[in-house]
Amino acid sequence: DTAVSQTPKYLVTQMGNDKSIKCEQNLGHDTMYWYKQDSKKFLKIMFSYNNKELIINETVPNRFSPKSPDKAHLNLHINSLELGDSAVYFCASSPGLAGANEQFFGPGTRLTVL
Amino acid sequence: AQTVTQSQPEMSVQEAETVTLSCTYDTSESNYYLFWYKQPPSRQMILVIRQEAYKQQNATENRFSVNFQKAAKSFSLKISDSQLGDTAMYFCASFSQGGSEKLVFGKGTKLTVNP
Repeated sequence: DTAVSQTPKYLVTQMGNDKSIKCEQNLGHDTMYWYKQDSKKFLKIMFSYNNKELIINETVPNRFSPKSPDKAHLNLHINSLELGDSAVYFCASSPGLAGANEQFFGPGTRLTVL
Repeated sequence: AQTVTQSQPEMSVQEAETVTLSCTYDTSESNYYLFWYKQPPSRQMILVIRQEAYKQQNATENRFSVNFQKAAKSFSLKISDSQLGDTAMYFCASFSQGGSEKLVFGKGTKLTVNP
């Protein structure tokens, strides 16, 4: 009964490659997010979507492109991977945009760029 | 700008004892929410406790409670009767409604519970 799932859990790739991380939630939530956790464990929001519409786009390089085909899915595509992209990427979802809502996190995807 | 500061990078506590993790925040919004998330070695982010800024009463969840000092913009987490399973990174976070409308995290406190 996984609530928020991500695939893959681990991703090792070479610099310059293009890769995607998939996220799915079965909670019926309207809002989904991507976070990046760096090597010092600092967690920062990258994007948020509400009902498939982009709401938050932090100062993330254009090489990162989120795609929400439907409310239950939010994928992250990364072009021309760089060493600095190595991090753990978390997907999350919540019932809506309101701050009172708990955000449910996926298990994370550890991306290593060589 | 919305900021969250955790001044204790690491802490340790003996099993069954009580420990308090500190957090201060800053926001210009009057309507905001504060959270403590736990990240054990499994990497999973788990909500521990939540506080609405408009509520004066401190939130409690079993062994976890907060000390919310609104004027001081302080939001500390107290863990009573610490258990080995409490060993984790703990992140304080805030969400300002009507402002940036995003969850902003502190840098975390690594808590180790010793047997």
